[in-house]
Amino acid sequence: KNQVEQSPQSLIILEGKNCTLQCNYTVSPFSNLRWYKQDTGRGPVSLTIMTFSENTKSNGRYTATLDADTKQSSLHITASQLSDSASYICVVSGGTSGTYKYIFGTGTRLKVLA
Amino acid sequence: ETGVTQTPRHLVMGMTNKKSLKCEQHLGHNAMYWYKQSAKKPLELMFVYSLEERVENNSVPSRFSPECPNSSHLFLHLHTLQPEDSALYLCASSQGIVSNEQFFGPGTRLTVL
Repeated sequence: KNQVEQSPQSLIILEGKNCTLQCNYTVSPFSNLRWYKQDTGRGPVSLTIMTFSENTKSNGRYTATLDADTKQSSLHITASQLSDSASYICVVSGGTSGTYKYIFGTGTRLKVLA
Repeated sequence: ETGVTQTPRHLVMGMTNKKSLKCEQHLGHNAMYWYKQSAKKPLELMFVYSLEERVENNSVPSRFSPECPNSSHLFLHLHTLQPEDSALYLCASSQGIVSNEQFFGPGTRLTVL
C-alpha cells in the first residue's frame, strides 16, 4: 500500500533553534518527493523537490535530504523564525508510465515560540 | 500569491442548499485539481482535469460535481451536503499532470450545518 508517514505530528521549539522533520514513504515506483509549507488557513506552498538521484537540496534555511534506499526524507530548519510556524507536508509522487499518484502525508505542525 | 485564486474563502451552508466553489489560475497551466483537507487527515485528491477533461475521480460522492469550462477555471458544485463534508477545499494547478509541481490556492473553508 502506498503510504507517506510523517513524524513528529507536532513540534514546539524556541526561536533561533534548529529542528528536523521526518518523512517515511512506501510509494512505488518513485518519481519525486516534495516538501510543502502550509500556513494556517492557506494553501500549501512548495519548499523543495527531490528526485531519485538527489540526496540533499537547500532552500534558504530549509534543507531537505533523501535516502531512496531506506525511503526516508528529512526537512531540517536552521535558525528557526516565528514565521516558520506552519504545517509541513511531505508529498511523494510516482506511478508507472501513463499513470500517476500523489500521496500526501498528514503533516507536522510546527510552532516556533519567541 | 501563488497565481491560483479561490472564491469564496469561507462558506456556511445548510444541508439542503446548493452552492458553488470557484477556482481560477493565472499561470497558463493545463491541469487543475480539487482537494479536500480535513483536520488531522492527509489531503484527499477529489478530481483532476487535464486539458479541460476529467481524468481522475477518486470515488467522490455525486453531491460534489466538478466543472471545467476552460483551462483557467474550475468549479465545484455542491448540493445536499452532509456535516462531515465540512473541510478546507483546495484547488491546485500544474503544467501537465505527471509529477509536476502543483500550485495551490488559499482554499475555501466550508461549514455544513
